[in-house]
Amino acid sequence: KAGVTQTPRYLIKTRGQQVTLSCSPISGHRSVSWYQQTPGQGLQFLFEYFSETQRNKGNFPGRFSGRQFSNSRSEMNVSTLELGDSALYLCASSDLTGAKNIQYFGAGTRLSVL
Amino acid sequence: SQQGEEDPQALSIQEGENATMNCSYKTSINNLQWYRQNSGRGLVHLILIRSNEREKHSGRLRVTLDTSKKSSSLLITASRAADTASYFCATAFNFGNEKLTFGTGTRLTIIP
Repeated sequence: KAGVTQTPRYLIKTRGQQVTLSCSPISGHRSVSWYQQTPGQGLQFLFEYFSETQRNKGNFPGRFSGRQFSNSRSEMNVSTLELGDSALYLCASSDLTGAKNIQYFGAGTRLSVL
Repeated sequence: SQQGEEDPQALSIQEGENATMNCSYKTSINNLQWYRQNSGRGLVHLILIRSNEREKHSGRLRVTLDTSKKSSSLLITASRAADTASYFCATAFNFGNEKLTFGTGTRLTIIP
């Protein structure tokens, strides 16, 4: 099976712009989670989608939003970008089998806000 | 906010030696997982230990869990240069809640 695919891998934006990141989960995985990783804050949970519904949400402002499509692909949107949004954004999918929530991560999208 | 704190923050050892890193967490958990991250890349799942388990092995990895102390340790035996990476513990509160809360990570460097 193909792994989790995130596009694009690198992105450069300026303050005030908006950005959309894409994530294709492993085939058959219905749960998709998003994380932000920065040197200062580490790995922070953004949100999790399951069957097109947001089930969990982290402590991020409303500028961060996401959605999941019927094929389980997910997108994350950040509006009105700030310098502090520069980070590695990681997507992870899970198949929820065996009562485990093991996450399979993509390589990430490196966002730089100038 | 971080659920777990990892200790040490950084560790350098000679190839062939064993590496031990520790993780402490704050609340009750369903399971605890360890992940590895190579520089700037995605995380790779290494091992999962449930709250009712005390020790688990996988290849050169040994994980222990002490729920009374809210702590876990990861031991990598006979280290190799390819083990150079950051290691994170992650806790899950309950199945069905897919949120993982990650620790601060330990940066492991294996010196050839």
